[in-house]
Amino acid sequence: SQQGEEDPQALSIQEGENATMNCSYKTSINNLQWYRQNSGRGLVHLILIRSNEREKHSGRLRVTLDTSKKSSSLLITASRAADTASYFCATVLNDMRFGAGTRLTVKP
Amino acid sequence: DSGVTQTPKHLITATGQRVTLRCSPRSGDLSVYWYQQSLDQGLQFLIQYYNGEERAKGNILERFSAQQFPDLHSELNLSSLELGDSALYFCASSVDYGQTANTGELFFGEGSRLTVL
Repeated sequence: SQQGEEDPQALSIQEGENATMNCSYKTSINNLQWYRQNSGRGLVHLILIRSNEREKHSGRLRVTLDTSKKSSSLLITASRAADTASYFCATVLNDMRFGAGTRLTVKP
Repeated sequence: DSGVTQTPKHLITATGQRVTLRCSPRSGDLSVYWYQQSLDQGLQFLIQYYNGEERAKGNILERFSAQQFPDLHSELNLSSLELGDSALYFCASSVDYGQTANTGELFFGEGSRLTVL
């Protein structure tokens, strides 16, 4: 079964706006990762945050983790049309489980 | 290019048949993961191998089996295929031993798209 659940399922914004996606999970984790998938392609790793970290940045990406609430968020700032993709969170304990993803559409 | 190679890219077959999907991990990666992605769905974890041994099992049907060979490539065998098995099957690899604190980034192949008619 899937571990994480992303919210919203779909998000449509204009170029230049920020996009926020949320992930909730059910069990303990060692780390949480975010991946991106362009339509029908393989997933690409974006960022990893460990269970003892609260926030991490990578370029236009900001990830937060709240282990007490078992939730994480991914913020993409100043979005571009090229950011259009599905975004998945993945939780790591003894294996890696993915959520159902958020489909982001960035309109030019 | 992730360095993970999956073959075939596309496969069309009939119900009841058997197929084998192949994955070559990145050079040096010891862990191989298999995932199934049905249309517009998330990824379902099937199974993970580390250096030839099964390490974790997810929602893998009894009709499916996998193995990792001494050269670290892996094969996923799907038998008695049903219409519902139509999906994208992804292989991913990582350096880390997939247990507790050590699983880092996964590198995904481009997938094998299976269509069962």
